[in-house]
Amino acid sequence: SQTIHQWPATLVQPVGSPLSLECTVEGTSNPNLYWYRQAAGRGLQLLFYSVGIGQISSEVPQNLSASRPQDRQFILSSKKLLLSDSGFYLCAWSGTAAYLHFGNGTRLTVT
Amino acid sequence: GENVEQHPSTLSVQEGDSAVIKCTYSDSASNYFPWYKQELGKRPQLIIDIRSNVGEKKDQRIAVTLNKTAKHFSLHITETQPEDSAVYFCAATRGSQGNLIFGKGTKLSVKP
Repeated sequence: SQTIHQWPATLVQPVGSPLSLECTVEGTSNPNLYWYRQAAGRGLQLLFYSVGIGQISSEVPQNLSASRPQDRQFILSSKKLLLSDSGFYLCAWSGTAAYLHFGNGTRLTVT
Repeated sequence: GENVEQHPSTLSVQEGDSAVIKCTYSDSASNYFPWYKQELGKRPQLIIDIRSNVGEKKDQRIAVTLNKTAKHFSLHITETQPEDSAVYFCAATRGSQGNLIFGKGTKLSVKP
């Protein structure tokens, strides 16, 4: 069966520090991969998606970036965090069916 | 651009009552409409979905209806229970094969 792993679960980082969140999927090949952000009490904002290794599409301009170095690995990064980057970050994957399978999320607090 | 509107943003019902959440979409090519439930601090989880060739789908106490002409779909929960309390998100595909566009969510509270 397919599983998605996302870490860390929680993270507290100072403003201006770098960020790296990692997500891996097991049990499937060539998944579509996604990074979403959810601000407190708000909806799901799509940040990046990828249909293959090295293929990244950005939905919103920001100081975040994403990379897909391997088929089932998706990384969200920032060189310098802003206060507004605080939120709940969710990695997700989809296969031939359209529905998304979400990871457990990372709660990021930028102080 | 493509948009999904969801109403209401909050909904409070008594245990045993029914709850209805409605969504409208703008892209007439959308063909897949899932609903997700997100409990506090947890990940969204798929609870039911419907494709554009179907008008209604039921799964025990949960049902979804789709009106393609009007471009709206609804989630119906009957005999609500306290454990139904959560935030519910609707979504629609961007075009026939694109990414999901989510509504802003409905916080459902079921009072015992």
